[in-house]
Amino acid sequence: AQSVSQHNHHVILSEAASLELGCNYSYGGTVNLFWYVQYPGQHLQLLLKYFSGDPLVKGIKGFEAEFIKSKFSFNLRKPSVQWSDTAEYFCAVRTEDSNYQLIWGAGTKLIIKP
Amino acid sequence: ETGVTQTPRHLVMGMTNKKSLKCEQHLGHNAMYWYKQSAKKPLELMFVYSLEERVENNSVPSRFSPECPNSSHLFLHLHTLQPEDSALYLCASSQDPTSTDTQYFGPGTRLTVL
Repeated sequence: AQSVSQHNHHVILSEAASLELGCNYSYGGTVNLFWYVQYPGQHLQLLLKYFSGDPLVKGIKGFEAEFIKSKFSFNLRKPSVQWSDTAEYFCAVRTEDSNYQLIWGAGTKLIIKP
Repeated sequence: ETGVTQTPRHLVMGMTNKKSLKCEQHLGHNAMYWYKQSAKKPLELMFVYSLEERVENNSVPSRFSPECPNSSHLFLHLHTLQPEDSALYLCASSQDPTSTDTQYFGPGTRLTVL
């Protein structure tokens, strides 16, 4: 079965630290990849997405993600985090076989210490 | 500012109650979705509607009954729920369920079943 794995359930960093959140998926064909973010008390919103082309995707608020097809990965990165990045981050994948469905990871809670 | 609104934001109900969750999207989209978000679990897609027709039903118990009277409104009718149904219920919309469009989420209804 297709699945999405986010390796860290909780990450705690200090401000200005660099961030990398892992996302791996299990599917060998064409994929669309997404990172969503849920700030405390707010709705899920799109950070960035990859459909085709340049595998390095830039999103809002200084985030970027790199699609590495050989590793089935789509890791999220930010060179210097801020306290306001405290949120839960979700990776999601849509495949040729998943029809209408986004297949979601379980999320990573990121806490930034001021 | 989200174009998807949900009411109520919080709901506490007993196992014998009947209640409904409401979702409204102001984005002119043709597809609407219900998701269940439980702690430490991936988002679970419950129902998908496209142009007011149900196109996906992911083996959801019959105590959850969706209704889509038009492309802007989506309801989830709840009846005889179990405590394990307590979760955050998210509504989302997109232009078309079969395209690569982004899904836009509402803030969710936090449901507690006693």
